[in-house]
Amino acid sequence: AQSVAQPEDQVNVAEGNPLTVKCTYSVSGNPYLFWYVQYPNRGLQFLLKYITGDNLVKGSYGFEAEFNKSQTSFHLKKPSALVSDSALYFCAVRFILTGGGNKLTFGTGTQLKVEL
Amino acid sequence: NAGVMQNPRHLVRRRGQEARLRCSPMKGHSHVYWYRQLPEEGLKFMVYLQKENIIDESGMPKERFSAEFPKEGPSILRIQQVVRGDSAAYFCASSIEVAGVRYTQYFGPGTRLTVL
Repeated sequence: AQSVAQPEDQVNVAEGNPLTVKCTYSVSGNPYLFWYVQYPNRGLQFLLKYITGDNLVKGSYGFEAEFNKSQTSFHLKKPSALVSDSALYFCAVRFILTGGGNKLTFGTGTQLKVEL
Repeated sequence: NAGVMQNPRHLVRRRGQEARLRCSPMKGHSHVYWYRQLPEEGLKFMVYLQKENIIDESGMPKERFSAEFPKEGPSILRIQQVVRGDSAAYFCASSIEVAGVRYTQYFGPGTRLTVL
């Protein structure tokens, strides 16, 4: 079964410092990996995805993620955190459904808190 | 281009009543997905629909839950005889498919259902 794991429930970082939100995956075949962010009482916003190609993927709001096949990881990173980055971050893997289409399997989420 | 629209944003029902949640996909998107987010949990896939067809409902409870995506109008997630355990945030996502390639899912703001 395809799954993703986010080992940290919460990550705290000071504004201006680099941040990392961890994600590891377990899939058969080539993984299609995604990061979404959820602000309070809002829906999920797409940040970035890895399908194929360059292992370093750049996304919205200055975020990037590094795909590491040997470590089966897809960690989300940002060189300099902002207080406004404080939100709930979800890693997801795409699973192809029988009959077409795809569903996303999400991790449990990591709460990022950026403090002054 | 408006994003995925969901209404109502908040819905309160008493046990035994029916809940109807609506989702209008992004313009040009013909694939709709419903996910449920229980308190303190990640999102779980429920059902995948294309116009007038349910493609995969493997994540949907067998009883009381149904979904449709008619030729005209929004997709509807219907929950009959609601129970307190149905209290959750329900998210809709949509995507396009071009030449067999299924693109990124974009999420709506969600409907927060509270069952009293």
